[in-house]
Amino acid sequence: KQEVTQIPAALSVPEGENLVLNCSFTDSAIYNLQWFRQDPGKGLTSLLLIQSSQREQTSGRLNASLDKSSGRSTLYIAASQPGDSATYLCAARDDKIIFGKGTRLHILP
Amino acid sequence: DTAVSQTPKYLVTQMGNDKSIKCEQNLGHDTMYWYKQDSKKFLKIMFSYNNKELIINETVPNRFSPKSPDKAHLNLHINSLELGDSAVYFCASSQEGGVRTEAFFGQGTRLTVV
Repeated sequence: KQEVTQIPAALSVPEGENLVLNCSFTDSAIYNLQWFRQDPGKGLTSLLLIQSSQREQTSGRLNASLDKSSGRSTLYIAASQPGDSATYLCAARDDKIIFGKGTRLHILP
Repeated sequence: DTAVSQTPKYLVTQMGNDKSIKCEQNLGHDTMYWYKQDSKKFLKIMFSYNNKELIINETVPNRFSPKSPDKAHLNLHINSLELGDSAVYFCASSQEGGVRTEAFFGQGTRLTVV
């Protein structure tokens, strides 16, 4: 049974810093891994999707990597801004889309 | 043009009532899902439908009955609502045939049972 873990559960960093969010999954037989952002009281916004055959994807200041064999993915946020404050969720897809519990990120102005 | 839309956005109802949440996607995807986000914000899959057929049922009480009239719609009907059903329910869609695409989520339905 696939389990997805995100570390840390919460993170506060000063504005401008680069940061890394971690995601691990127990079963490496995934089709893809997706990172989402959720603002308080809102829905999920897709940030990046990495197919199982890919190693990384980039979108603006975001870079996500995938190491399937070790069951890990990271989301790198460069030059963080207060607007990046949100909960970040990773989701691994095998026959289902399984979510981690998220990392609550707070960027301090 | 909203990709995955759910209605209603908010639903407050009394224990014992029956209610429905509707979901529609205009992305042409073949698979739709219902997820429940509890008070601790953990997202857990409830159901998955592929081309109107039930694929995944994650031991959800049978008071919850999904219905997919066509592959663009997946509705969730809940009978005899209980306090513990209070949560945010998210609908999602993705393409499972061929290259699996990213999943898109609706804005959620906040259900409060009083």
